[in-house]
Amino acid sequence: NAGVTQTPKFRILKIGQSMTLQCAQDMNHNYMYWYRQDPGMGLKLIYYSVGAGITDKGEVPNGYNVSRSTTEDFPLRLELAAPSQTSVYFCASSYVAGHQNTEAFFGQGTRLTVV
Amino acid sequence: TQLLEQSPQFLSIQEGENLTVYCNSSSVFSSLQWYRQEPGEGPVLLVTVVTGGEVKKLKRLTFQFGDARKDSSLHITAAQTGDTGLYLCAGAKDSNYQLIWGAGTKLIIKP
Repeated sequence: NAGVTQTPKFRILKIGQSMTLQCAQDMNHNYMYWYRQDPGMGLKLIYYSVGAGITDKGEVPNGYNVSRSTTEDFPLRLELAAPSQTSVYFCASSYVAGHQNTEAFFGQGTRLTVV
Repeated sequence: TQLLEQSPQFLSIQEGENLTVYCNSSSVFSSLQWYRQEPGEGPVLLVTVVTGGEVKKLKRLTFQFGDARKDSSLHITAAQTGDTGLYLCAGAKDSNYQLIWGAGTKLIIKP
């Protein structure tokens, strides 16, 4: 089972460059999330999606954009990379039904360095 | 602001010792999840506790949800080197797709 697949695993960007972090899940989950994890910190929610065509901002959305054209894919776009965006990015998905918040499945992460 | 505070932030002990880590909040959660994250990997769910006072066991790991559903603890008996990792707690509220994450406890078990 593939689960949640993120690409690339590592990337170095120069300040001002742009890139897209890819995320795909094959579990038919309705909810998908993008988090960033800085050293010694927990997970900060960047954007989330409750289904295809629906996205919304999380706790730290500035400098990022997302789209969700299909259930499976949830790419994260960085338009003008800044050193503050150096972090490890995790994509996750879950099946949420009614009031039940179920397990979040995570990808292996993308380690991004902006220089 | 809903915060989940985990303590200690860092713990290094010898193999065979027991330990407890904590996850505390002033907010009530409908459920609380514990994840373990190994270096270079994403977090993986260990357990979900739902009922106040609930105790769940996973081999040598014992999880407890506080009676008021504001806090939780993870106790490891006879720690092994394979228990090394970052332990994260995450709280969920009714009708809320957003999990509230603690900063984690980094656990190192020395042989």
